[in-house]
Order: sequence, then structure tokens, then C-alpha cells
Amino acid sequence: QVQLVESGGGVVQPGGSLRLSCAASGFTFSTCDMHWVRQAPGKGLEWVAFIRYDGSNKDYADSVRGRLTISRDNSKNTLYLQMSSLRAEDTAVYFCSNLAVAPFDYWGQGTLVTVSS
Amino acid sequence: DVVMTQSPLSLPVTLGQPASISCRSSQSLVHSDGNTYFHWFQQRPGQSPRRLIYQVSNRDSGVPGRFSGSGSGTDFTLKISRVEAEDVGVYYCMQGTHWPPTFGQGTKVEIK
Repeated sequence: QVQLVESGGGVVQPGGSLRLSCAASGFTFSTCDMHWVRQAPGKGLEWVAFIRYDGSNKDYADSVRGRLTISRDNSKNTLYLQMSSLRAEDTAVYFCSNLAVAPFDYWGQGTLVTVSS
Repeated sequence: DVVMTQSPLSLPVTLGQPASISCRSSQSLVHSDGNTYFHWFQQRPGQSPRRLIYQVSNRDSGVPGRFSGSGSGTDFTLKISRVEAEDVGVYYCMQGTHWPPTFGQGTKVEIK
């Protein structure tokens, strides 16, 4: 069955760095555009970043541009989010998803990032 | 960015009764390809979001028939014909027609 499993979350100090991973299985990851979506505690969903299926195109929310970097390794069926210069407002659960526009929309269980001193 | 505005933000419902959530976008969600990339998600307490409806009115696989979506242009509605206990959670609308994708604020559905 389809699985997206995020990992790499944790507690980090302001200004620090973290790398999130999203391991995909059960579908053809290498043909899927992928996204990161986050949810601050008690808040709604916020789109964060996008990467095309072959890595040829990427985009970011203005709130994270220049600090977060999305990447993927199709040989490992894994999506990444490199986070740097972290701020308190980046505290959230980070989900990976294909945000499909047609059938077969997939989401992971999320990984919590807490930015605190 | 396209602003998605949901109402109400809180919806107490009686089991077995219908429920309706509205979502309005700040601009038309009809894409140049003729499709409308508007979707509804459910997030049960402690769980990841799960898409219920894609492209306005298409139910995702495994979604009960009591859920239906309708609308066009800038105004959309999610209806639950008879609310069940497992429907408790937060419902989000989302548009994928215009870049970047944007979500509504969420509507919390609870049982009276």
C-alpha cells in the first residue's frame, strides 16, 4: 500500500538547522510532483514547498524562501526538506504530500519541528 | 495569492442531521484548461489530512457517499447528508488552480 513516512523532526534552537526526510513506497515516486505542507500547533494548513517529479523545478512560500530547500532522490524514493536559519514561527508539523489534482492523493503522518531556545 | 474563506469556522451538529460548509475564493478557480482545481480535506483529531473531494465534486476512493461537493467559479460547498460520529474533525478547502496552492482556515465540526 502507499506510504509516505516523514522523519527528522525535533527540537532546534533559533537560527539552527534540520533536515527532514519523507520516504515513499507503494507508488511510482519518480513520476510524482511532491510538496511539503506544514501546520503550526492549533492552526491550519500552509503550503511550504514544491518540487517537480524530476527535480527540474522548485518553488517556495515567501515565508520560507531562502531558508528552506526542497530536494529529492528518486533512486531512494525519498523527498527532503533542508531547513536553516530556523525561527520560532517555523514550529509546526511538516507533512509531505503529492497534493494530487486528480485521484490518488497521498499524505504522510507528519514530523514535528519545534524551534525554541 | 488566492484567499480561501470558509464559513462557518465552527459547526456543532446533531448526529444524523445534515451539515454544510461553504468556501469562497478571492478569484475564479476555473483553470485555463477548463478544469476547476478545488478540493476538500478532512483532518480528524490527531491525524493527517485526508482528501475527500477533488475537482469540486469527485469523491476520493473510500469516501462515504454521505459526503458531496458542489459549486463553481468562486463559491463551493461541502455537504454531509447525515453526520456520523467519525465525521468529527476539521475540514479544509484548497485551491490548486492558481500558484501557490492555498487552503481555507478550516471548519471545526463537532457533535452537539
